[in-house]
Parts: sequence; C-alpha cells; structure tokens
Amino acid sequence: DAMVIQNPRYQVTQFGKPVTLSCSQTLNHNVMYWYQQKSSQAPKLLFHYYDKDFNNEADTPDNFQSRRPNTSFCFLDIRSPGLGDAAMYLCATSRPTAMNTEAFFGQGTRLTVV
Amino acid sequence: EDKVVQSPLSLVVHEGDTVTLNCSYEVTNFRSLLWYKQEKKAPTFLFMLTSSGIEKKSGRLSSILDKKELSSILNITATQTGDSAIYLCAFTNDYKLSFGAGTTVTVRA
Repeated sequence: DAMVIQNPRYQVTQFGKPVTLSCSQTLNHNVMYWYQQKSSQAPKLLFHYYDKDFNNEADTPDNFQSRRPNTSFCFLDIRSPGLGDAAMYLCATSRPTAMNTEAFFGQGTRLTVV
Repeated sequence: EDKVVQSPLSLVVHEGDTVTLNCSYEVTNFRSLLWYKQEKKAPTFLFMLTSSGIEKKSGRLSSILDKKELSSILNITATQTGDSAIYLCAFTNDYKLSFGAGTTVTVRA
C-alpha cells in the first residue's frame, strides 16, 4: 500500500553525468516536495509544486531542476552531479487544508556520485 | 527569514528517563508545526499542532504548541532504546514544509 514511491532506492551516477530521480504518489495530493538530506543533517527543501505552480528555494543550485507532468508524478533532474550532491533525496506530498498539513514521505533515493 | 531552532542538538539518556525536546520558530504566515521521527530512513510523522495549548498524545509521546512563545515541546516518557532517533521539528507556511536541524536522541540500555 505504498503511497509515495521513489525510484530507484539507490542510484550511482558518474561525476557530471545527468541523472533523474522519480517520485509517484497514489494520494492525489496537490503539493509535492523534493528535499536533499546529507548525512547527519536535516532535510533541506529544494523546491515544491502546488499543483503545477513551481516554487524554487532561493538557495537551490541551478544544477537542480524539476518536472511535474501530472498530479501523480514528479521528477528531480540533476544536470551535472558533483561529489557534493551525494545525499539522500526525499520526495513528500501533502494536501493542505485548514486543519491538516501533514506530509507523507517516500522511502528516499540515496544518490552516490563517483 | 523564516527559521526554526531546535534544542538541544543532541542528548544521551538511559532507558526509563524522560526527554523534553524544544522547538522555537519565527515564521510568517504560520500554519502548523509538525514533529517527525527519523531513523535510518525517511521521516515518520508524529504530531501536527495548529492550536496553542492543546496537547497531543500518542503513547509515551506528547507535544504541545505555545503560540505566544512561538515554541513547541516534544516529551518522551519512559524512554526505550527504540526511541533512539533524530527528532525533527518542521513548520508549514504558504504550503511549504521546512525542517529544523533536528535533535539526535540516544537512549542507552
């Protein structure tokens, strides 16, 4: 009954080689988030979508892009991964209401850059 | 700039102890404050707080929000080794969900 699914769970990519991480959801939530989490650090918000409306964090590097072709899917594209981009990437979804803004997380994709 | 500060950054306790974790925030358009537990995987939801003074409880965990003081606490009573984790405080505003640095709790047998 997985509700937020991230693929792959583990991804190894070469330095400078573009890589795409995917996230899908069965919850029909209108908000989707991408976070980067490095070892022993809190998740850092990269960007989020409210429906098709894209919201980029001011300090998210240009190297990171995102696409949301429909409600269910969202992609994180890293155009030229560097060694510093090795991290866990977490996707989350929510359907904010006046009473509830809980976010549901996928299991994450651990990215290794070699 | 919106921010949330958690304290302490880490602590070590023994089984059976009570733990109190703090989260303070300065957020425009504040909607809610959430607590998550993270072990070696994605964060798992604990509580969402929107109203001041109303305690939320789940087993040995409880949390309360103080909107006047712009803070929240998370209590864990009768700690067990399975409570060892990073506890994350997060806020939502304008539909963003942003996390604090977390508190690492280690419970020793």
